[in-house]
Amino acid sequence: DTAVSQTPKYLVTQMGNDKSIKCEQNLGHDTMYWYKQDSKKFLKIMFSYNNKELIINETVPNRFSPKSPDKAHLNLHINSLELGDSAVYFCASSPLGSSSTDTQYFGPGTRLTVL
Amino acid sequence: SQQGEEDPQALSIQEGENATMNCSYKTSINNLQWYRQNSGRGLVHLILIRSNEREKHSGRLRVTLDTSKKSSSLLITASRAADTASYFCATLNQGAQKLVFGQGTRLTINP
Repeated sequence: DTAVSQTPKYLVTQMGNDKSIKCEQNLGHDTMYWYKQDSKKFLKIMFSYNNKELIINETVPNRFSPKSPDKAHLNLHINSLELGDSAVYFCASSPLGSSSTDTQYFGPGTRLTVL
Repeated sequence: SQQGEEDPQALSIQEGENATMNCSYKTSINNLQWYRQNSGRGLVHLILIRSNEREKHSGRLRVTLDTSKKSSSLLITASRAADTASYFCATLNQGAQKLVFGQGTRLTINP
């Protein structure tokens, strides 16, 4: 029983294409996140949603658009892919949005390669 | 901006030895968390220490927090080959709603 799942696991695509990554959590959590991990393993938050509402939007190109149809799902759509978008993208969830005891649960990651 | 910085960036020890990793940060925090990432996998939460706590234990893990020095350490005792992974510290800053991660320490346990 996967707690936080992402699809696809691997994504190889050409520059300029549009692609989506899907994330689902079955933990009943209120908050979901997207992170980007670069080749140096540096993990940086991109977005977070609390109960379908956007609460964190870091300085991310507007080619990246998150969509949360319900609180169990947070998808990431990327337009006009660029070489620099190549990275591993992680979805995560946590029980509450702003809590001093917030542990985050991560998905397995989606390795995006832009050629 | 990046908050936690782990030290060392890479650590290689023999099975059975203890491994110590350090994390430094810059601003006041609510809590500090340690995560493990096995190769090709997502991060797994290990332990959380609040700003008013100084030490915490979980199995073979021991975490300390020194808010005056803005630093934390993670000690893994009696290391095993399965402990081979990257370890990240993450801080929840006061007034913030997001965790800020460091770049991690890559730990290798040699059999």
